[in-house]
Amino acid sequence: QQQVKQSPQSLIVQKGGISIINCAYENTAFDYFPWYQQFPGKGPALLIAIRPDVSEKKEGRFTISFNKSAKQFSLHIMDSQPGDSATYFCAASTNSGNTPLVFGKGTRLSVIA
Amino acid sequence: DTGVSQNPRHKITKRGQNVTFRCDPISEHNRLYWYRQTLGQGPEFLTYFQNEAQLEKSRLLSDRFSAERPKGSFSTLEIQRTEQGDSAMYLCASSSGWGGFEQYFGPGTRLTVT
Repeated sequence: QQQVKQSPQSLIVQKGGISIINCAYENTAFDYFPWYQQFPGKGPALLIAIRPDVSEKKEGRFTISFNKSAKQFSLHIMDSQPGDSATYFCAASTNSGNTPLVFGKGTRLSVIA
Repeated sequence: DTGVSQNPRHKITKRGQNVTFRCDPISEHNRLYWYRQTLGQGPEFLTYFQNEAQLEKSRLLSDRFSAERPKGSFSTLEIQRTEQGDSAMYLCASSSGWGGFEQYFGPGTRLTVT
């Protein structure tokens, strides 16, 4: 049973556009929701994370929106750039993030000029 | 702060051989996690440590897998009698564990079993 469902599987966005990736979860014990960026041959790099006591968190061009009642959260990348082309993973964990992460299957983002 | 390091970066082995990977966490991080990632999938949890104590093992971790973290510093992951299905990227992550819950990943060890 997949605990974190991520969509879309792949995404193509024009340079300067907005990239939106969505995730949904079932386990209401999850209380920490990070997003990771991964380039080919590299380990995942932490981008931004949110906890359920806030509905939105912004860091630079990256924004997480969180909907606790719907058990959904999403990543928005504003002004998308070719350098943003990578695979993005949402994840979730319990105990304020002090437990193993459960990852989505990933979204492969391509930003074209 | 040099980040999480993993060695080797690549390992090719024949089916049936044993392999061992090493992870050096960020200095003073007391939590260390092992994940496995196959092509086109997200990382899957294998096991984790708080200092030298192994806190949890995933049911993905068969009896052929063993991990340890002596003295709460670096960790090793050993796979005995490798199978072709073990081919994957093995990722290590660390976190401070005390109010700092962010997990930082190393570059991974790519295992190919022929």
